[in-house]
Amino acid sequence: DAKTTQPTSMDCAEGRAANLPCNHSTISGNEYVYWYRQIHSQGPQYIIHGLKNNETNEMASLIITEDRKSSTLILPHATLRDTAVYYCIVSPRPGGGATNKLIFGTGTLLAVQP
Amino acid sequence: SAVISQKPSRDICQRGTSLTIQCQVDSQVTMMFWYRQQPGQSLTLIATANQGSEATYESGFVIDKFPISRPNLTFSTLTVSNMSPEDSSIYLCSARQGSTDTQYFGPGTRLTVL
Repeated sequence: DAKTTQPTSMDCAEGRAANLPCNHSTISGNEYVYWYRQIHSQGPQYIIHGLKNNETNEMASLIITEDRKSSTLILPHATLRDTAVYYCIVSPRPGGGATNKLIFGTGTLLAVQP
Repeated sequence: SAVISQKPSRDICQRGTSLTIQCQVDSQVTMMFWYRQQPGQSLTLIATANQGSEATYESGFVIDKFPISRPNLTFSTLTVSNMSPEDSSIYLCSARQGSTDTQYFGPGTRLTVL
């Protein structure tokens, strides 16, 4: 079973920030938080991942709470092309012999409205 | 980032036949995976494709139904055997790049079984 809880769907106005929450209250110390998105009829696209510090890249920012039990993915200026299902996944990072596998939950359908 | 291609992109097959899906990565990767996405559902991991040895299957998936090969570091095949309409899904290849530990996905193969 997926270890994360996400809202089923969210709306966001074009040009505004989209804040997608994820609850992972049972996260272990060696588990990272990964975010992927899947635009209709395409394969999932990697967005960002983090362990405990906040992370930012050209696509998004990831804010992880101090207790690591929840996180928020922020798309700073949502466009219509950001409409997709967003998946939050917790998994150990490879290394040290770990064979981590990305297990997908149901995700959040983000609909960016014009 | 690793670029993953799949062949065929889609196919329509008759019940009882088999289809082999090819996955090619443009660079050497440490691990390769196969996922299934049934209509309207999230992704489900089928197996980890191991180079030069038998694949590691997830619960509910067996080698006789989904034989997998991985002859080298950049190529893998998944065969869907003795197909039934319940096998109609999108099948996705995924690969993890060792240099970044990031996992990427192919565009998927859309299979319809009549």
